[in-house]
Amino acid sequence: AQSVAQPEDQVNVAEGNPLTVKCTYSVSGNPYLFWYVQYPNRGLQFLLKYITGDNLVKGSYGFEAEFNKSQTSFHLKKPSALVSDSALYFCAVRDGNAGNMLTFGGGTRLMVKP
Amino acid sequence: ETGVTQTPRHLVMGMTNKKSLKCEQHLGHNAMYWYKQSAKKPLELMFVYNFKEQTENNSVPSRFSPECPNSSHLFLHLHTLQPEDSALYLCASSQDSVSGLGTDTQYFGPGTRLTVL
Repeated sequence: AQSVAQPEDQVNVAEGNPLTVKCTYSVSGNPYLFWYVQYPNRGLQFLLKYITGDNLVKGSYGFEAEFNKSQTSFHLKKPSALVSDSALYFCAVRDGNAGNMLTFGGGTRLMVKP
Repeated sequence: ETGVTQTPRHLVMGMTNKKSLKCEQHLGHNAMYWYKQSAKKPLELMFVYNFKEQTENNSVPSRFSPECPNSSHLFLHLHTLQPEDSALYLCASSQDSVSGLGTDTQYFGPGTRLTVL
C-alpha cells in the first residue's frame, strides 16, 4: 500500500519570505513523487516530479522540491513567495514498480500575505 | 482546445435523474482517469482506463458507470445519485507504457462541480 501525509492544513507566509510545504510518503517500491497546485474552481496543475536522479527537483513558477529517502520526505520549497502563489497544494506518490495509481495527500492551503 | 477539457463545468441534478460527464484529452495520451474531490477529503481515484481497457475500479458504487469509447474520450454516467455524491469530479490523462509502469505525469481537466439535490 502507498500513502502520503501532508501534516499542515494551512501554511501562512509573508510575501518575499521563503516557503516550505511538507510532504512525507510511504511506498513499498521505488517512489515516484509529484506536486500539484489547485487554484479556486480549477483542476490540478502539475508543478514538478521526482522519478530518479538528482534529489533536488526544479519545477514551474520557481518551485523546487527535495527528495529525502532516509526521511521519506518530498517537501516543496520556494525561495521567495508571491501573493499569487496562494492556492491549494497536493503531494502525490506512486509505486514505480506497480501500476499507474497515484495516491494524493490531503492538501495544504498556502496563504501568502502582502 | 488544448490539454484536458471537461463538460459540463457545473451540474445540478436530482436523485432520480440520469446525467453524464464528459472528458476529452488533446494530448495523445493512452490512459485516462476519474477522480472525486470532496470537501475536506483527499482526492479519491475512481476509475482508470489504459488503452481503453478499464484497469482499476476503486470500489466505486454502481450508480457511477464509466465509459471509454476511445483513448481521447472518457464519460462518467450518473444515475440515482445521493446527496453525498456532490463533489468536484476531475478527469486526468497520462502517457503510460503498456505495462502501466510509465513515469509520465497525469494532467488534469478543470473538473465538473456536481450538486445532487
